[in-house]
Amino acid sequence: KAGVTQTPRYLIKTRGQQVTLSCSPISGHRSVSWYQQTPGQGLQFLFEYFSETQRNKGNFPGRFSGRQFSNSRSEMNVSTLELGDSALYLCASSTSGASYEQYFGPGTRLTVT
Amino acid sequence: AQSVTQLDSQVPVFEEAPVELRCNYSSSVSVYLFWYVQYPNQGLQLLLKYLSGSTLVESINGFEAEFNKSQTSFHLRKPSVHISDTAEYFCAVSPLRGNTPLVFGKGTRLSVIA
Repeated sequence: KAGVTQTPRYLIKTRGQQVTLSCSPISGHRSVSWYQQTPGQGLQFLFEYFSETQRNKGNFPGRFSGRQFSNSRSEMNVSTLELGDSALYLCASSTSGASYEQYFGPGTRLTVT
Repeated sequence: AQSVTQLDSQVPVFEEAPVELRCNYSSSVSVYLFWYVQYPNQGLQLLLKYLSGSTLVESINGFEAEFNKSQTSFHLRKPSVHISDTAEYFCAVSPLRGNTPLVFGKGTRLSVIA
């Protein structure tokens, strides 16, 4: 089976712009979770989607949003980018949900200048 | 709510020496426990997991971890490390019931020295 894929792998944006990141889960996985990884804060949970519905949400401002399509692919959007949004954004998929074994993609490295 | 403490942010060790990466967790309910490994410029890979049953769990590449409920610990060990084990290791916890996301520790950077 193919693993979790994320596009793009690297992205450079300017403050104030918006960005959309994409994630394709492992075939058959209906749960997709997003995490932000930074050196200072470590891995922080953003949100989880299951069958196109948001099931969990982390403690991030409303500028961070996501959605899931009927084929389980997911997108994450960040509007009005700030310098502090520079991070590695990781997508993970699971058969059962956010509490269970997660399979991670390689991540998208976002740099905000 | 759950929390995870990885007591060492960096662990240098010589090749073929044993290593222990420490993980303690806090939770008022029963939990699942995981160790993930992250190699440079990659995502996280599941190393091993404790869901139930035997408290000693093993991975295919020689790592093992032991769940100790009384000490709320899930330390990761390997009797003899290789250069290729150089990576960052993350301990994670989630409750048995409900659908609460994994909570990760801050990570331990293992550096294996030749």
